[in-house]
This record gives sequence, structure tokens and C-alpha cells, in this order.
Amino acid sequence: AQKITQTQPGMFVQEKEAVTLDCTYDTSDPSYGLFWYKQPSSGEMIFLIYQGSYDQQNATEGRYSLNFQKARKSANLVISASQLGDSAMYFCAMREGVTGGGNKLTFGTGTQLKVEL
Amino acid sequence: DTAVSQTPKYLVTQMGNDKSIKCEQNLGHDTMYWYKQDSKKFLKIMFSYNNKELIINETVPNRFSPKSPDKAHLNLHINSLELGDSAVYFCASSQGTYSFSGYTFGSGTRLTVV
Repeated sequence: AQKITQTQPGMFVQEKEAVTLDCTYDTSDPSYGLFWYKQPSSGEMIFLIYQGSYDQQNATEGRYSLNFQKARKSANLVISASQLGDSAMYFCAMREGVTGGGNKLTFGTGTQLKVEL
Repeated sequence: DTAVSQTPKYLVTQMGNDKSIKCEQNLGHDTMYWYKQDSKKFLKIMFSYNNKELIINETVPNRFSPKSPDKAHLNLHINSLELGDSAVYFCASSQGTYSFSGYTFGSGTRLTVV
């Protein structure tokens, strides 16, 4: 079974609009962390935001927020006020705790976001 | 100062050759990783080292051999290169094996086997 599922291979959004990128995960480990990374066309992997399984509040970092719904096992990324520079591939990833493979990040297949004028 | 640096950035080589990719981090992290990103952009872990000790070795052909001379360096040597080895290889580092600190990635090495 896929541990991280991103069902949107491609998304379009107009500049200044908000966009939600979906991510669902599968783990039986009570301790885990969820990450979002951005990969622009230049290729580097840029860390955006992190949510721990025990965190009570949804994570926010500037224009990025994570809509964490633990019971539904979803960790959607919300980008507010989209900018042209947000056009990139976005990856959701999970790091499981001790019982689930330790320290490796398991990635989803990514969502290619295109911001239009 | 670059946090995780990989060299070379691009590598074009012929089938059957042996090549190495080097990675260095100056973050003081104790865990380093190699990830492979295939042509469909899927990222998968290959190896992980914690304080020079191999802790993750996914199902990777034994033509791939990582080496960590110290906790700041992790190199990847690939023997008898095949066309299917063409990919982008990312080095990353983090602090702790079971903590939830973030990963810092290098800028990637694009390997093309012709």
C-alpha cells in the first residue's frame, strides 16, 4: 500500500488565489512527522512546512499552512495568495517513528502546480 | 556557505563506467542519506548513515556502494553503470535517527548514462 498518496498530478491556480494540494498518508505508527517540499524547475528540494503527529495545532509558515486532519490521515498544504514563483512540483513526505522505519522520508508522487496570471 | 553540497552537479558517462558522487554537509548533522529521483520525479531512499554507520540499505543493486569517512561526508560510488541508473541523486542530512527534525537536501547530481 502507498504510504503517501498525492492524487493531483497537476494543478492550476490564478495568481493571488489560494490553492490546496492534497496529501493522505498511511501509517500504524503513533509517532510520525509530515513534511512538504517544493521542487522548482531548477531542481533543488526546498523544505516548506512540518507537522508532527502530536502537534495540537496546524502548522503555518508564512503563506503556507498545513491542514492536518489526523482521523482522516490527511495533511493538505494550503498556499495563500499564490505567486508566479510558486509554480513548482510539491512533494508530501512522511517520517515514521521508531516502529516504522526510523529516519527515512517516504515521498508521495508529487503535484505539479502552475500559477497563472 | 552551502549547507549540503554535492559534486558534481552534472555527470554524463558511458555504460559500463564507474563513477562517484561526493556529498558534504556543514550543519553538524549526524545522519546522511542518498535519495534517487527517477524520470517521473519519484524520490526514493537508497541509503542512510548515522555517525558513519549504515542504518538503511534499501533494495539497491550492489553496484551502488556508499561510503561515509566521517559524519560530515557521504559518498556514492557506482560500478558498471547502466542506462537505468540515469536519474537525479540527492544527498540529504538530518540530526538524529528517530527525531523529527527536518531534512536538508543538496542540490542534486544529474547522472546521465549513455
